[in-house]
Amino acid sequence: LAKTTQPISMDSYEGQEVNITCSHNNIATNDYITWYQQFPSQGPRFIIQGYKTKVTNEVASLFIPADRKSSTLSLPRVSLSDTAVYYCLVGAPYNQGGKLIFGQGTELSVKP
Amino acid sequence: NAGVTQTPKFQVLKTGQSMTLQCAQDMNHNSMYWYRQDPGMGLRLIYYSASEGTTDKGEVPNGYNVSRLNKREFSLRLESAAPSQTSVYFCASSEATIAGVRETQYFGPGTRLLVL
Repeated sequence: LAKTTQPISMDSYEGQEVNITCSHNNIATNDYITWYQQFPSQGPRFIIQGYKTKVTNEVASLFIPADRKSSTLSLPRVSLSDTAVYYCLVGAPYNQGGKLIFGQGTELSVKP
Repeated sequence: NAGVTQTPKFQVLKTGQSMTLQCAQDMNHNSMYWYRQDPGMGLRLIYYSASEGTTDKGEVPNGYNVSRLNKREFSLRLESAAPSQTSVYFCASSEATIAGVRETQYFGPGTRLLVL
């Protein structure tokens, strides 16, 4: 199982773009990269997923370089409500024999 | 469409007592999971069920048992609770569709368990 490493915490201000980088040097060929967001006292919520290059949705963008050994979650123009813990996961769906492992996550604090 | 529901929301147990945490999903998902989350830590997988009738151990299965009662329901049982099992427990489900298609897990609101 690919292990992930991400910063423990980050601070930002409202309106700024936030980039959270995750390292996953041992990523396997059939692994996807997935990011989840967790607010206090709630379960995690899916944000975005990708395999390679760039993926964008209404919430975030995910940048994955060609070697796939790292990925960057980009949150445009953050607001106070984006204060949460962000988890980077690497793994394959169960029907491919893989599991998803949650690391410690990055605690993002957005200030006014 | 309630998504993933968990009961109870909060429970206090004494050491040695037993209890069952209930989880149900109404999204017709094949896979279901139980995680625990301790303060300052990420989620750790306890057990999972890739389909009705199958269960497998995750990272931290000791002290727990599970039952996949049907496609909707996946319960977690603590036979003899210990203080080390004080945690927040999350249930999740996913469609786990065909090979190569993304796997998104949907989480319940959690059960906060305190073992004295």
